[in-house]
Amino acid sequence: EADIYQTPRYLVIGTGKKITLECSQTMGHDKMYWYQQDPGMELHLIHYSYGVNSTEKGDLSSESTVSRIRTEHFPLTLESARPSHTSQYLCASSEFELGTEAFFGQGTRLTVV
Amino acid sequence: KNQVEQSPQSLIILEGKNCTLQCNYTVSPFSNLRWYKQDTGRGPVSLTIMTFSENTKSNGRYTATLDADTKQSSLHITASQLSDSASYICVVTPALNQAGTALIFGKGTTLSVSS
Repeated sequence: EADIYQTPRYLVIGTGKKITLECSQTMGHDKMYWYQQDPGMELHLIHYSYGVNSTEKGDLSSESTVSRIRTEHFPLTLESARPSHTSQYLCASSEFELGTEAFFGQGTRLTVV
Repeated sequence: KNQVEQSPQSLIILEGKNCTLQCNYTVSPFSNLRWYKQDTGRGPVSLTIMTFSENTKSNGRYTATLDADTKQSSLHITASQLSDSASYICVVTPALNQAGTALIFGKGTTLSVSS
């Protein structure tokens, strides 16, 4: 069982609200990632980080933002949630570059009504 | 364009039967190919990872094969169990990987094992 945790697991929230999805790992990994996955579709990278104070946008454009103040913590924030943000968000981490083993959290299923 | 195509999209089999899932990719050159199992509402869990020079890798009842010449991989599940019901995702990492941007995900095959 990988030591990477996401909270909350499920979130239903109204349009316009600010939300933060939490992701923490206890493996000391430098590399962390956020993916977005719609039902029946592939994962798309939206953010990644090489380490503390490093954040980059991924291949899929996203209105969310991330921060990396501590190695173990990589939260994702939506300033104003919209129904189009409804999706599953998966956090992952790896020790070296993502070509080696990557560990995923259980995901947060977000529904914006 | 780098792509990973999986087939079938979904599959239903009886408990105890074997099955094989396919993955075709156009990523070249590539560093490694992985198979993940994703239970509904959960994050993916790694089953196997193969470099371009490996032909087969086993993990219990799961056996992955790789043919780098034809750019095909398969995941064979032996003696299926109800707990094998999940989505199986093929993931390819291009060579000269840029950390975080290089993983190419397939859409997955949804396997349902019935009793």
